[in-house]
Amino acid sequence: KAGVTQTPRYLIKTRGQQVTLSCSPISGHRSVSWYQQTPGQGLQFLFEYFSETQRNKGNFPGRFSGRQFSNSRSEMNVSTLELGDSALYLCASSLQGYNTEAFFGQGTRLTVV
Amino acid sequence: GDSVTQMEGPVTLSEEAFLTINCTYTATGYPSLFWYVQYPGEGLQLLLKATKADDKGSNKGFEATYRKETTSFHLEKGSVQVSDSAVYFCALSPDDKIIFGKGTRLHILP
Repeated sequence: KAGVTQTPRYLIKTRGQQVTLSCSPISGHRSVSWYQQTPGQGLQFLFEYFSETQRNKGNFPGRFSGRQFSNSRSEMNVSTLELGDSALYLCASSLQGYNTEAFFGQGTRLTVV
Repeated sequence: GDSVTQMEGPVTLSEEAFLTINCTYTATGYPSLFWYVQYPGEGLQLLLKATKADDKGSNKGFEATYRKETTSFHLEKGSVQVSDSAVYFCALSPDDKIIFGKGTRLHILP
């Protein structure tokens, strides 16, 4: 069974631009979560979607947004990029979210210059 | 709020040594507890989990026991291998998100 697929794997953007990252969950999984990983802050929760609805949101500014489509694929958007947004963005899928095993993709490495 | 504290790394051990990575947590309620592992250039993989007090999670020779009285979930392995070199994250899940510790980098020397 295919794993969680994140595209693209690497991205370089300029300050002020916006970016969209994509995540295709494991077939049958309805929950998709996004995390930001940086050396300083570690892994921080961005948001979680279940059946196209955002169920939970972390403490990130409104420049970070996401959505989920009817096929459970999810996108994350960051507008007005800042240097501090440089990070590895990880997507995780699970059957239902809470208390079910989360499977992570390999991540998208975003560099803002 | 809920949080996870794990020992700072890096931890460097010789092959076949005994491993302990300490993890303590703060949470309201009774969250599920996890250990995830991240190999270089890869995403996170679930290593083991425990969903209630006194549960022991185990996988690939690693073990951790959910201790409510000490709010701990320490990771142990009796004999580490070079292939165990990775970053290990302790985590808890009180609801639909996972809260991670900062991670502990483990180096195993042959």
